[in-house]
Amino acid sequence: GAGVSQSPRYKVAKRGQDVALRCDPISGHVSLFWYQQALGQGPEFLTYFQNEAQLDKSGLPSDRFFAERPEGSVSTLKIQRTQQEDSAVYLCASSFLSQGVTEAFFGQGTRLTVV
Amino acid sequence: AQSVTQLDSQVPVFEEAPVELRCNYSSSVSVYLFWYVQYPNQGLQLLLKYLSGSTLVESINGFEAEFNKSQTSFHLRKPSVHISDTAEYFCAVRHLGGGSEKLVFGKGTKLTVNP
Repeated sequence: GAGVSQSPRYKVAKRGQDVALRCDPISGHVSLFWYQQALGQGPEFLTYFQNEAQLDKSGLPSDRFFAERPEGSVSTLKIQRTQQEDSAVYLCASSFLSQGVTEAFFGQGTRLTVV
Repeated sequence: AQSVTQLDSQVPVFEEAPVELRCNYSSSVSVYLFWYVQYPNQGLQLLLKYLSGSTLVESINGFEAEFNKSQTSFHLRKPSVHISDTAEYFCAVRHLGGGSEKLVFGKGTKLTVNP
């Protein structure tokens, strides 16, 4: 595709519901990142994949958060038993190689509202 | 702890005036530095980056930033702003070594250019 695509763009979940957020990276991009952006804050790192390998998940806030990229392309971020504090914009980014050498392209994000 | 500080949350300026958006970071290791821009209803876009070499880096639309290692700063400047520069600007740092690919972002600065 032309850019990083995220779906859905908006999601409203009732507290306690499970949600799944999808990211389609740019074709051929090796690296994939998930960030969480709360209202009025900058993006905060959640997790990083190189191909299908999850190399860094240090930013996942709790064991309710789980990410996967089974075939090294599309990635899914799953949040179980959502809480109000999970309300945020979830951003996905992909790059061909290391972010320091090649540009990371961001999707428009999924805005999650937990009610 | 690794952190990025953007002291100004909002910066209003008049068209054709100069602007400086400040960014300071904390790190005990070498870093790559980035400025991202987010226009209304769009995703984050890379504006410019410092990896190595010349400490002054420029973007294609007239912005520049200077890496100052002694002051751990990477301030963004433009000598004459346009209405179209209205956006939110995020400073980000990637710490080298340790195998981490993640970016650490500041909280952002909303630049509003008024006619």
